Amino acid sequence: DGGITQSPKYLFRKEGQNVTLSCEQNLNHDAMYWYRQDPGQGLRLIYYSQIVNDFQKGDIAEGYSVSREKKESFPLTVTSAQKNPTAFYLCASSIQRGGNTGELFFGEGSRLTVL
Amino acid sequence: AQSVTQLDSQVPVFEEAPVELRCNYSSSVSVYLFWYVQYPNQGLQLLLKYLSGSTLVESINGFEAEFNKSQTSFHLRKPSVHISDTAEYFCAVRSIGSARQLTFGSGTQLTVLP
Repeated sequence: DGGITQSPKYLFRKEGQNVTLSCEQNLNHDAMYWYRQDPGQGLRLIYYSQIVNDFQKGDIAEGYSVSREKKESFPLTVTSAQKNPTAFYLCASSIQRGGNTGELFFGEGSRLTVL
Repeated sequence: AQSVTQLDSQVPVFEEAPVELRCNYSSSVSVYLFWYVQYPNQGLQLLLKYLSGSTLVESINGFEAEFNKSQTSFHLRKPSVHISDTAEYFCAVRSIGSARQLTFGSGTQLTVLP
């Protein structure tokens, strides 16, 4: 079945440590996204990538980094510079070619807790 | 610029009662509109979408939403809710022809009470 796989689903980290969240898709979608979700704040865009080897900052990119070396993969690193990293992180993808409506397909999410 | 406002953060309703979750959007051009549903500790799933054509769109599980251009609204309704409809619901908008990505509302927590 086609879809988006995020791992790990739950992750605990000590303050000052970097952590990388994995996102893999087999939908053959061109664009991939990372969102952060906090209670009562909806979804906020961290980074997105419309093509391999290229990515753009979203609304809250500070303290995060990404790479897009393969079409299928878009890992997110939460660095020690992120002041409040405890959150639920969602990866998504979309078709980017003609007729693109912007519809997003989401993974199951990764919950990061900083101890 | 595009934006979405979900007017109610929490909506409690008894089982088998009707419900309406409100969504208003802002955009200077035509839009695509979406409703997503999120169950606890899961990702978002597309519930229904308006792209063009009929202003009333329906989902397979009894929800419907009506695009109202004059009121810039896309409210979600269901005539009779079930316990299993308890979830968070997000409205989202994308301006047609814009390079911007989807903009999401802050979400509405629907809780169906027995």
